[in-house]
Amino acid sequence: DQQVKQNSPSLSVQEGRISILNCDYTNSMFDYFLWYKKYPAEGPTFLISISSIKDKNEDGRFTVFLNKSAKHLSLHIVPSQPGDSAVYFCAARAAGGTSYGKLTFGQGTILTVHP
Amino acid sequence: EAQVTQNPRYLITVTGKKLTVTCSQNMNHEYMSWYRQDPGLGLRQIYYSMNVEVTDKGDVPEGYKVSRKEKRNFPLILESPSPNQTSLYFCASSLSGAEAFFGQGTRLTVV
Repeated sequence: DQQVKQNSPSLSVQEGRISILNCDYTNSMFDYFLWYKKYPAEGPTFLISISSIKDKNEDGRFTVFLNKSAKHLSLHIVPSQPGDSAVYFCAARAAGGTSYGKLTFGQGTILTVHP
Repeated sequence: EAQVTQNPRYLITVTGKKLTVTCSQNMNHEYMSWYRQDPGLGLRQIYYSMNVEVTDKGDVPEGYKVSRKEKRNFPLILESPSPNQTSLYFCASSLSGAEAFFGQGTRLTVV
């Protein structure tokens, strides 16, 4: 049972435009959400996160939005650059105790930004 | 330089031959984890550790063992590898259990 889902396997965007990557989750115990970026032949790198007490978090060109009632989060990249081309994973962590070390990832979305 | 180091980067082995993939971090992080990445399935957590001698199962622990005898090291052990364990493996460490630093990955093929 996939508790974190990224339903779009791929997304293609023109340089300078907005990229919107989506993620849905089913577990209402998740209270912390993250996005990671992965280039080929490298490990994932942390990009941005958001706590369930917020609905938006910004870091430069990257903004993550959280809609708790819909159990949906999205990552906006504005403006998109060719160097943003990578696989993007969303991840979620459940609240409390031993769950602090347990991260659940989505399947990933391949973003391609065309010059 | 802050890093998570995995070894080996590539490994081809035969079914049933025990192997260990090592992972070491130099950031004094409490949390360490192992993941496998498979096409269409994303990253799935195998085991995680919250501190020395404290480990817990992730989503796909079957066929794997871990140990955390020192804070910096978190080896992944496959006692009797099978072809369905052919995958790309990542080790990660973090202070909080969430924003993690990942290693470069180990590509394992079991024939």
